Amino acid sequence: AQRVTQPEKLLSVFKGAPVELKCNYSYSGSPELFWYVQYSRQRLQLLLRHISRESIKGFTADLNKGETSFHLKKPFAQEEDSAMYYCALPGGKAAGNKLTFGGGTRVLVKP
Amino acid sequence: EAQVTQNPRYLITVTGKKLTVTCSQNMNHEYMSWYRQDPGLGLRQIYYSMNVEVTDKGDVPEGYKVSRKEKRNFPLILESPSPNQTSLYFCASSLHRDRVNNYGYTFGSGTRLTVV
Repeated sequence: AQRVTQPEKLLSVFKGAPVELKCNYSYSGSPELFWYVQYSRQRLQLLLRHISRESIKGFTADLNKGETSFHLKKPFAQEEDSAMYYCALPGGKAAGNKLTFGGGTRVLVKP
Repeated sequence: EAQVTQNPRYLITVTGKKLTVTCSQNMNHEYMSWYRQDPGLGLRQIYYSMNVEVTDKGDVPEGYKVSRKEKRNFPLILESPSPNQTSLYFCASSLHRDRVNNYGYTFGSGTRLTVV
C-alpha cells in the first residue's frame, strides 16, 4: 500500500535560515509527488509538483528514488512561509486516483 | 474565478440530525473527492467520484454518503451525524480522472463541522 511519511510535526527556524521538510514515501510504481501548503485558516494550495520541476516561492524538491524521498527545501526562510506543509502521493487508477497525504509538518519562521 | 466552493464554512449540529455539505466546482473537472482533516491523522479520503454517477469509497467512508448527479456538484451527506465526525472537511477536484498524477487537486476552503 502507498504511504507518505513526514517525520517532523513541527519545524521552527529563524528568518533567513535554511529549512528542509522531510518526506518519505512507499510506492511500487514510479511516483509523481506533490507538496501542498496550508496557510492559517485557508485551503490547501498546490506548492509544487515533481512532474513540472518547478521552483515556487523559493522552494524546491528533489525526488530521490534510491532513498524514496521528496524533501522540500528553501535556502532562506521568510516569515510568510509559516504554514502547514503536506507531501502527497497520487496512487493511480488502482487506488482510485486518490492523493495520499503525509501527516503534515508545521513550519514556524521566527523573526 | 476558477474554484471549488463549499458550503457552509462552519456548522454546529446535534447528534442524529441529517446534514449536507455542498461542493461545487466551475472548472469542468471530471474527478471530485472528499477528505477529512484531523489533528495527528492528516487528511483522509472519504469518497471520490470519477465522473457523473460514478462514486466509490475512500479510506474512511463509514457514516457518509455522496452523490454525483451533475458534473459540477458533489455533496457530502451525513445521515445521522455523531461526535466522532467532528472534523474539518475538504472537497477537492481534478481536471481528469486519469491525470491526477499530473495536476493534483484543487481544494475548497473547507467546512468545519462540530457534532454535539
